[in-house]
Order: sequence, then C-alpha cells, then structure tokens
Amino acid sequence: DTAVSQTPKYLVTQMGNDKSIKCEQNLGHDTMYWYKQDSKKFLKIMFSYNNKELIINETVPNRFSPKSPDKAHLNLHINSLELGDSAVYFCASSRALSGNTIYFGEGSWLTVV
Amino acid sequence: QKEVEQDPGPLSVPEGAIVSLNCTYSNSAFQYFMWYRQYSRKGPELLMYTYSSGNKEDGRFTAQVDKSSKYISLFIRDSQPSDSATYLCAMSVGNNRLAFGKGNQVVVIP
Repeated sequence: DTAVSQTPKYLVTQMGNDKSIKCEQNLGHDTMYWYKQDSKKFLKIMFSYNNKELIINETVPNRFSPKSPDKAHLNLHINSLELGDSAVYFCASSRALSGNTIYFGEGSWLTVV
Repeated sequence: QKEVEQDPGPLSVPEGAIVSLNCTYSNSAFQYFMWYRQYSRKGPELLMYTYSSGNKEDGRFTAQVDKSSKYISLFIRDSQPSDSATYLCAMSVGNNRLAFGKGNQVVVIP
C-alpha cells in the first residue's frame, strides 16, 4: 500500500498553463507538506498544513496555491506556469505538527516548456 | 551561509567499503537530526532519526550527532551496490520545518 501517493508522476506543459498536482496519504497523519526539489537536488519546504489549516507558507509566488479538502489530501495548483517552475514536487506527511519524521511521496516531475 | 551544509560528492566506493557522510549546520537550536536516502526518480525515504547528541545504530547504518561541533555523520558498513543513492541530511528545532542538506550522491561499485 502506498503511504503518500501523488499524481501525476510526470507532467510536461507549456508556459502560461495552469496545472494541479494531487496528493493523498493513508497514514492517518495530521500534517501534510509540499516540498520542491530543484535541479541541484536541493529540497525546500513550500507549504505545510495541519488538519486542513495552513501552518507554513514559505516565500512562494502567489501563483502557487495549496488546497486541503481534508486532512488526508493536499493538492497543489499552479497558475501561469513559468520555465523556472520546472522541478520535482514532493508531497509529504507527518503524524503531528511537531513531526520530525516526515514521509515523502514519489514525487511529481514538472517540466515547463 | 546556508543553515545546513553537505558536500554533494559524488562519492564512489568499492563494494564492502565503509561509506562516511557528514553535514555541518549553523543553527544551535536544532535538536532532531535525520538521514534520508533517495534513489533515482524516487522520493526521500527516512533512514535514521536521532534526537540530540549521541550515536544510533541500525544494522549496517550508524548515525552520529556532535552538537558541540554542529556536525552529524552517517556511516554505512559493508556497503552494497543497493546502497547507491543520494543521502540527504535533515534537521529540525522540533517544529515541522525541516532544513535539508543538498544531498550526497553515493555510488557503490561491485
């Protein structure tokens, strides 16, 4: 059983388009995250939600909007895609707000052309 | 200066050798220290988790934390080709905000 699953795994799209990445966790965790990994493999947090409530919002352009319909789901919508948005986006979850053991999904490879 | 520094490598070792990886950090408030393993085209997988200073051993893996020097290490004994991956260190002050190193690519040559 996949603990943290995200779709799609690969996404190629043109500049200016709007796209969404979906994430679901079946671990019963309260906290979910979106991380971005750039071409140099550097992994950085974008957002964190606890029980559907936004907790962390790093310096991310407004074009990125997370949505958590329930605590098992955290989706990421990106408007007006730019070339620099090309990266791997990882969804993750942890048991609690102080979750230091974070479990990651397989990643979504986004390429903007 | 980045919060967490990790030499990206790559590091190539023959099968059976000991792999030694390390990270340094600047934030003395970090209390929780983790190592993640990431295979190509996969998500990071939690490998080791340590609270505060000291050593932790799990099979062929040993994690060490030296808070006085702000230095953490991961050792892999009897390395196998299946250990070939990128290893990322991560740390936290106890909230849900992890600071990651850049990752260190390890190649174990059969």
